[in-house]
Amino acid sequence: GQQLNQSPQSMFIQEGEDVSMNCTSSSIFNTWLWYKQDPGEGPVLLIALYKAGELTSNGRLTAQFGITRKDSFLNISASIPSDVGIYFCVPRTGNQFYFGTGTSLTVIP
Amino acid sequence: SQTIHQWPATLVQPVGSPLSLECTVEGTSNPNLYWYRQAAGRGLQLLFYSVGIGQISSEVPQNLSASRPQDRQFILSSKKLLLSDSGFYLCAWSVGAGSYEQYFGPGTRLTVT
Repeated sequence: GQQLNQSPQSMFIQEGEDVSMNCTSSSIFNTWLWYKQDPGEGPVLLIALYKAGELTSNGRLTAQFGITRKDSFLNISASIPSDVGIYFCVPRTGNQFYFGTGTSLTVIP
Repeated sequence: SQTIHQWPATLVQPVGSPLSLECTVEGTSNPNLYWYRQAAGRGLQLLFYSVGIGQISSEVPQNLSASRPQDRQFILSSKKLLLSDSGFYLCAWSVGAGSYEQYFGPGTRLTVT
């Protein structure tokens, strides 16, 4: 089966710092999605990547779909307290979505 | 626009009791529907998914079952709950064709006592 590794597992940063997290897989995927989950709520889609090499931004968030189609990263610039939460990478093939283990982000004011 | 509902929002049930969680989607037709369980705020585990009425695929053999009696309704059930069934249950949908993106409901927090 697929092996999906998301890192880091957790991050503690100062407000204003930039953040970087990534996912690598043993398999090739057609789509990479990035979600954020606040405590007690469902995950919310942040960015969707459809093509290898694609670089997409959504405000302070930037994500890239790796050329090999086996990896993706998410960057958050100038972090703010509301960025706190768990971030998941979710590659997709067919009707199947595979969730990473998540990166827990804590922003210290 | 599309909306996904789940209820109840929270539930406390004794061991051995039955379970029924409901998920409905508005604003789309023939969606793919999914049930996930999340333990301790990390790692979503896919339980079931459905590509149409009456079509259910089970990803993990366990004490739960799913049904899709209507196009936009997805139900998660159990005849007898176990302590290990406690967790945060999330329903999600994606477009039937292509399925590029997946959208989640607000979740149900289940505590089995």
